[in-house]
Amino acid sequence: AQSVTQLGSHVSVSEGALVLLRCNYSSSVPPYLFWYVQYPNQGLQLLLKYTSAATLVKGINGFEAEFKKSETSFHLTKPSAHMSDAAEYFCAVSDRGGATNKLIFGTGTLLAVQP
Amino acid sequence: DAGITQSPRHKVTETGTPVTLRCHQTENHRYMYWYRQDPGHGLRLIHYSYGVKDTDKGEVSDGYSVSRSKTEDFLLTLESATSSQTSVYFCAIRIGQTQETQYFGPGTRLLVL
Repeated sequence: AQSVTQLGSHVSVSEGALVLLRCNYSSSVPPYLFWYVQYPNQGLQLLLKYTSAATLVKGINGFEAEFKKSETSFHLTKPSAHMSDAAEYFCAVSDRGGATNKLIFGTGTLLAVQP
Repeated sequence: DAGITQSPRHKVTETGTPVTLRCHQTENHRYMYWYRQDPGHGLRLIHYSYGVKDTDKGEVSDGYSVSRSKTEDFLLTLESATSSQTSVYFCAIRIGQTQETQYFGPGTRLLVL
């Protein structure tokens, strides 16, 4: 069965510092991987996705993630945090080619950005 | 904006009452999903639909039923609401046949007293 583990339910960084949010997955088949962001009282917004093209994926708002098969990881990074990045971030995995595309989500990481 | 609306956006109800949440899309996508979001659990799939009248269960389907009588609407029903069903409910649609990306609605916040 597929699963996703997000290490650190809360991460706090200073404005301008590197953001690193960790995601490890378990999948018996090559996966699709996603990062979503949720701002307070809003729905989930797609940040970026890995679907087997380049292993380094660039998303919106300056975020990027690298797919590392050997480490079964898909960590999210941003070189310089901005106050507006404060939100909850979810990593998700789905079966490549699965008929129903069910997403399995991690439990989320709440990012705080300190001035 | 994937053209997804959810109604109501907020609802307070009492234990034992039936509740129906509606998800509406404007672009005729085949796949639709219902998730619930709870602290410490992320999002968990309740039910999904792969076409009109075609639905199946997700990982937390107990106490929920769904219906899809037309492409644009996917209804989630709590037959007899319980306090454990207090949650935020999100609808999603799948866009694209190859990259399988889901886009989410704004959510419905449900409180069962």
